[in-house]
Amino acid sequence: DAGVTQSPTHLIKTRGQHVTLRCSPISGHKSVSWYQQVLGQGPQFIFQYYEKEERGRGNFPDRFSARQFPNYSSELNVNALLLGDSALYLCASSLVSVGWSYEQYFGPGTRLTVT
Amino acid sequence: SQQGEEDPQALSIQEGENATMNCSYKTSINNLQWYRQNSGRGLVHLILIRSNEREKHSGRLRVTLDTSKKSSSLLITASRAADTASYFCAPGGSQGNLIFGKGTKLSVKP
Repeated sequence: DAGVTQSPTHLIKTRGQHVTLRCSPISGHKSVSWYQQVLGQGPQFIFQYYEKEERGRGNFPDRFSARQFPNYSSELNVNALLLGDSALYLCASSLVSVGWSYEQYFGPGTRLTVT
Repeated sequence: SQQGEEDPQALSIQEGENATMNCSYKTSINNLQWYRQNSGRGLVHLILIRSNEREKHSGRLRVTLDTSKKSSSLLITASRAADTASYFCAPGGSQGNLIFGKGTKLSVKP
């Protein structure tokens, strides 16, 4: 089975632009989470979706939004990019999410550079 | 918060030695997970230990959990250069998301 896939691998954007990142979970996984990891730090939780509904949101501004599609793939959108949004964006999938923390399977990430 | 704090922040050892990393947390948990991240890449799940377990093994990995002290440790035995990576603990509670600390950066020298 394929693991979690993310696209694109790398992306360079200019301040003020918009970006869309995509994630396909492991087949059968219904939960997708997004994390932002800046250099030297651990991943920071952005969103979690389960069965196409938002189940959790981290401490990120409204410029960040996400959605999950009927096939459980997900998009992360970031508007009005700032230099500080430069980071590795990680997507993770898991079988379930409601109520408890389950092991998550991470994709390779999308490296976003904002200039 | 459910965030784990790893200690030490950095660890450098020779190949063949054992590496021990510690994790402390502040709230009650249902489980605790350890992940590995090779430089600039995605995280890899290593092991999940439930709150009613005290020790768990997986290959060269041994994880202990002491819920009374709110701490966990990850031991890698007979380390290899390929074990060079950052290691994160993630205490799990009633939320579905994981909260990571800054990790322990392990360097294994050949």
